[in-house]
Amino acid sequence: KQEVTQIPAALSVPEGENLVLNCSFTDSAIYNLQWFRQDPGKGLTSLLLIQSSQREQTSGRLNASLDKSSGRSTLYIAASQPGDSATYLCAGRNYGQNFVFGPGTRLSVLP
Amino acid sequence: KAGVTQTPRYLIKTRGQQVTLSCSPISGHRSVSWYQQTPGQGLQFLFEYFSETQRNKGNFPGRFSGRQFSNSRSEMNVSTLELGDSALYLCASSLSDPRDTLYEQYFGPGTRLTVT
Repeated sequence: KQEVTQIPAALSVPEGENLVLNCSFTDSAIYNLQWFRQDPGKGLTSLLLIQSSQREQTSGRLNASLDKSSGRSTLYIAASQPGDSATYLCAGRNYGQNFVFGPGTRLSVLP
Repeated sequence: KAGVTQTPRYLIKTRGQQVTLSCSPISGHRSVSWYQQTPGQGLQFLFEYFSETQRNKGNFPGRFSGRQFSNSRSEMNVSTLELGDSALYLCASSLSDPRDTLYEQYFGPGTRLTVT
């Protein structure tokens, strides 16, 4: 059964800094992995989807990578802004199974 | 294009009652999934439907049930509510079949259920 963890649980950085959020999964037969952000009390916003055949995906200041052999995905945020403050969640899925979510990383970007 | 909509947004119920939550997916999407989010347990999977068929079910008691209609709209029902059912219930839709690697979920704003 797939298990997903995220480190760190919380992160506080000054505006403008580049940062990396980590996501680890136990089953390397992962089918796809999706990154989301969640603002307090709100639903999840999809950021990036990485299919199992891909190594990375990019959208604007965001870049997500997937390394199935090491069981890791990273979300890189360039030139962070206060508006990036949110909880970031990753979710992995194996074939025929549901998405399994990590606990999230709570990011605060200080002006 | 309108996003995923969930109704109602907020709900207060009493222990022992039952509740029905509704989810309308993005137009054209045929997959709908439901999740329960609590501070202690995080996001936990409830059900997944594709073209009216339940494809996956999470590890929740039988009090939790769901269904999907021919127009892809979905409902979930919780009977005999318990205090521990208080949570944010999130619905997500996808254009793709759940077995497709392009399966990407788009979430609604959620229904906040409080059980007193």
